[in-house]
Amino acid sequence: KQEVTQIPAALSVPEGENLVLNCSFTDSAIYNLQWFRQDPGKGLTSLLLIQSSQREQTSGRLNASLDKSSGRSTLYIAASQPGDSATYLCAAHDRGSTLGRLYFGRGTQLTVWP
Amino acid sequence: SAVISQKPSRDICQRGTSLTIQCQVDSQVTMMFWYRQQPGQSLTLIATANQGSEATYESGFVIDKFPISRPNLTFSTLTVSNMSPEDSSIYLCSVLGDPAGAEAFFGQGTRLTVV
Repeated sequence: KQEVTQIPAALSVPEGENLVLNCSFTDSAIYNLQWFRQDPGKGLTSLLLIQSSQREQTSGRLNASLDKSSGRSTLYIAASQPGDSATYLCAAHDRGSTLGRLYFGRGTQLTVWP
Repeated sequence: SAVISQKPSRDICQRGTSLTIQCQVDSQVTMMFWYRQQPGQSLTLIATANQGSEATYESGFVIDKFPISRPNLTFSTLTVSNMSPEDSSIYLCSVLGDPAGAEAFFGQGTRLTVV
């Protein structure tokens, strides 16, 4: 069974810092890796999807990398802002007949203060 | 992409009652997924709902407690039956946004409190 771990569990930084959020998974035979943002009590907003044949994706100040051989993904947030405060979740996509099933980490709770 | 409308967004229910959560997608999808997020925890898959067949439940989840309907390719419901305070969670539905099975999308969640 796929297990996903996220480090750190919580992060509190001043505005403007560049951040690194880590995600590791036990089964390298994942299909895709996806990063989400979750605001308190809300649903999930998709940030970046890294497909199985890709190594990284970028969207604005966000960059995510994927190294399947080592079972790791990293989310970089450049020039953090208070509006970035949220919980960030990574999810490994299952493959084959269970395509669409996601395995989640517990998330990194990010606080960016002015 | 896929846009998912989930209702209700939140509810407070008495123990022993049932709540049905609805999930409507703006496009036809083969599979819909129901997750639970208990307080302070990550998401756990409850079941996978295919149109025209019985839902497939994950270990620890049973149909009598979480009956699911999937009447067509754009709609599904999850019922939380005979609720107890331990059922207090956020419930979310999810779909894949394209036939290639790439990006997953989620509804805004249903925040359930059982008193």
